[in-house]
Amino acid sequence: QSVLTQPPSVSGAPGQRVTISCTGSSSNIGAGYEVHWYQQLPGTAPKLLIHGNSNRPSGVPDRFSGSKSGTSASLAITGLQAEDEADYYCQAYDNSLSGVFGGGTKLTVL
Amino acid sequence: QLQLKESGPGLVKSSETLSLTCTVSGGSIRSSLYYWGWLRQPPGKGLEWIGTIYHSGSTYYNPSLQSRVTISVDTSKNHFSLKVSSMTAADTAVYYCARHLAGYAAAGPLGYWGQGTLVTVYS
Repeated sequence: QSVLTQPPSVSGAPGQRVTISCTGSSSNIGAGYEVHWYQQLPGTAPKLLIHGNSNRPSGVPDRFSGSKSGTSASLAITGLQAEDEADYYCQAYDNSLSGVFGGGTKLTVL
Repeated sequence: QLQLKESGPGLVKSSETLSLTCTVSGGSIRSSLYYWGWLRQPPGKGLEWIGTIYHSGSTYYNPSLQSRVTISVDTSKNHFSLKVSSMTAADTAVYYCARHLAGYAAAGPLGYWGQGTLVTVYS
């Protein structure tokens, strides 16, 4: 049972927009801590997509965007491409003095 | 280009201690800008933060693992290490070392990752 809750799977057709939610609580996201997002392609290490709720590291396409409100955060992917098919994870800090992750969401490009 | 590479045994006997090392190349572990972390991912499951170290030796651990985990740093060798004691089957996972993003401390976002190493616990 992950501290942050993500949908197990989402899907979309090429070119469409999809969103992945990340729901926390008053001890993590709701406490004001920033949310970060990762993309993990099959058999590879995670790659940082978004940090500080909405900031993209250099090299990450602007098709990826992040937002946060209250105890939840969202990752949006526009102009969906086949290469976006991967697992996505959210991360935040928790008042338990630990970094915590969501359980991951598998994105399928139809 | 920064690179991180995990090394250590792929098999560990139940109840014994796992020792892994992360060798950093293309950058100095002494940099005051960065913290260095260990994470793991059981097969088919999600990510778990294990702990983080600063070049000074300051450490930060996941409370759920703190009693069994030790992270250390050797700046002369530009590497940092992980020890997990009393290993069980539940500790079977891909173990990753990573560098936190500049400007963030322990448990913050991780911008560079090693390729990961699978550790299997057997009885």
